Amino acid sequence: QKEVEQNSGPLSVPEGAIASLNCTYSDRGSQSFFWYRQYSGKSPELIMSIYSNGDKEDGRFTAQLNKASQYVSLLIRDSQPSDSATYLCAVNGGNTPLVFGKGTRLSVIA
Amino acid sequence: KAGVTQTPRYLIKTRGQQVTLSCSPISGHRSVSWYQQTPGQGLQFLFEYFSETQRNKGNFPGRFSGRQFSNSRSEMNVSTLELGDSALYLCASSLGTGNEQYFGPGTRLTVT
Repeated sequence: QKEVEQNSGPLSVPEGAIASLNCTYSDRGSQSFFWYRQYSGKSPELIMSIYSNGDKEDGRFTAQLNKASQYVSLLIRDSQPSDSATYLCAVNGGNTPLVFGKGTRLSVIA
Repeated sequence: KAGVTQTPRYLIKTRGQQVTLSCSPISGHRSVSWYQQTPGQGLQFLFEYFSETQRNKGNFPGRFSGRQFSNSRSEMNVSTLELGDSALYLCASSLGTGNEQYFGPGTRLTVT
C-alpha cells in the first residue's frame, strides 16, 4: 500500500519566520510531487509541484525533493498569518492516482 | 479560464436514499478524479475518469459509482446512503493522470 506520511501538527511559527513542512512517501517509483494548501472549510489549492531532485522556488515558497531519501518538503519564508492552513502533500507514480498525506496544520502567530 | 465547478454545494439526505453529484472540469482537461474527505480519514481517492473511461478506482464499496460524459463532465452516484457517507466530496480535474490536479469547491453531503 502506497503511503504518504506527514506530521499532523499543529506547527506553530511566529510571523516572519520560516515554516518547514515535511513529507515522506513509500513508493520509490513515485514521479510527481505536489503541495496543496487547504483553508478550513475550503477545498485544496495547488501551490507547488516538483518532479526532479533539488529545489524549486516560487515566491515565498520553496519545494525540496530528495528521491533517494523519499522525502519532500515545503519551506515558507516570511510566514504570514494568512498562511495558517493545512498543507497536504500528494505523490503520484505515473499512471496511478494521487496519494495524499493527512496534512500538517500550520499556525502562524502574529 | 473558469475553474472546476461542482453542484450542488450542499446536500442533506436520509439514510437509504441515493445521491448524484456533478463536476465540470476546467476547459481542456480530460481527467476527472473524485475524492471523499472526512476529518478522520483525510482525502480518500474514489475514482478517476479519462475520456469517458474509468482509469483507476479506490477502495470503496460498489454503492459508489461514477461516469464521465463526452464533454468531460463527470457525475458520481452514491446509492443506499449510510451515516458514514457524510463527508466533503471533492472533484479535481487535470490534463491527465500524474498531472497537476485542480480542485472544485466540493459538495458537502450530510446523511441523517
